[in-house]
Formats: sequence, C-alpha cells, structure tokens
Amino acid sequence: NAGVTQTPKFQVLKTGQSMTLQCAQDMNHNSMYWYRQDPGMGLRLIYYSASEGTTDKGEVPNGYNVSRLNKREFSLRLESAAPSQTSVYFCASRFSGQSEQFFGPGTRLTVL
Amino acid sequence: RKEVEQDPGPFNVPEGATVAFNCTYSNSASQSFFWYRQDCRKEPKLLMSVYSSGNEDGRFTAQLNRASQYISLLIRDSKLSDSATYLCVWGNNFNKFYFGSGTKLNVKP
Repeated sequence: NAGVTQTPKFQVLKTGQSMTLQCAQDMNHNSMYWYRQDPGMGLRLIYYSASEGTTDKGEVPNGYNVSRLNKREFSLRLESAAPSQTSVYFCASRFSGQSEQFFGPGTRLTVL
Repeated sequence: RKEVEQDPGPFNVPEGATVAFNCTYSNSASQSFFWYRQDCRKEPKLLMSVYSSGNEDGRFTAQLNRASQYISLLIRDSKLSDSATYLCVWGNNFNKFYFGSGTKLNVKP
C-alpha cells in the first residue's frame, strides 16, 4: 500500500497562476483533509471531506477550492495564486470514527 | 486566541534525560486529543492518543487535564532519535482537528 500520495512534491508559481494539488489514498478511508503549514503556525485546516460527495470549509478556506473526485482522491485548487499562499500543503485521510490521520509527504509551494 | 498553544522550544536535553511538554487548548468542548511527531521537512505521524485517565506507551506518557484545559507529554530516557517537533492536536465531533505550532526537541549526545 502506498498510503497517502501527493503530487507534485514541489511547485513554483507566479502570482495569478492557477494550479491543482492532487491527493490520493489507497486505505479505503472515508475522510480526507487539506492542511497548510507555515513556519511557527502549525497545521491549519483548509478544507475537509467527511465522505465521498461532501466537502466543508476549515479554518482558512479563502483562495482555495476542493473536489472529492471519488473515495480515493481529494484535490485542492488555487484559482489565482498569491504570495500569501506560499506554504507546505499536506493531505491527510482517516477512517471516520477512528482518530489517527495519515498524512501524505507534502507539496512545497512557492508563489512569486 | 489560538485554538492550541504550545511552547515552541527548542528544548535541548542530553541523552537519558526526562523532558515534559505542555499544551493548552481553548475549547472546552474538545473531544479527542493527540500528540503527533514531525521530523524535519516530513509529514506528521501519530505518536499517541491522549485518554482522560492518562496513558503510557513505553517511554512516553500522556496526560489530560480537562479542568485546566491542557495536555502533557513526558518522555523518559531520551534518545537521539527522539529529536523532532511534537505537535499537540485536539479534535471535535465534526471531523475538524486543530494543531499546535509544535515544540522542538533536540536530544544531544
């Protein structure tokens, strides 16, 4: 099992460009999450999906959109990237009703 | 006010030392509590859940104090491999989890 995979691992964008971060899990988990991690800020929840077909906002959803394509995949889209979105983005998944979240290796995004 | 507050450290300790971290949370409705470990430039991984009665896993002991709204992590007999950042996390009933900014631990030979 690959666990949680994320692509790309690194990305540099110019202000105003758009891109989609991909996340997939092969553990048959119900819930999936997108976080961002900035220095000194811990992980902050952007969006989550409790089950296929549902998505909800987290703490910092502005500037992002998500799609729960199927049970395995949960993508994060930046429509018009801004320097404030420079961060490390982590995707995570878990079984609903269980506590542990499993994280992907992260995407390091720089917006110039 | 941050949902979760942690002392960022770093805590610099010699091998074999005992070290303790505290973490305070602001929401009294918090339902579940965890400690995650994050190595440099890696993803977080669950270290242990924190139960109301306290729990131990080898050299690691976690405690929860709901009245004072804090959780703690005690590491005994520190190893070089314990060097990492430790993240305090709480969760609510609605699938949301809140992370502290982490406490950095450096274990020196």
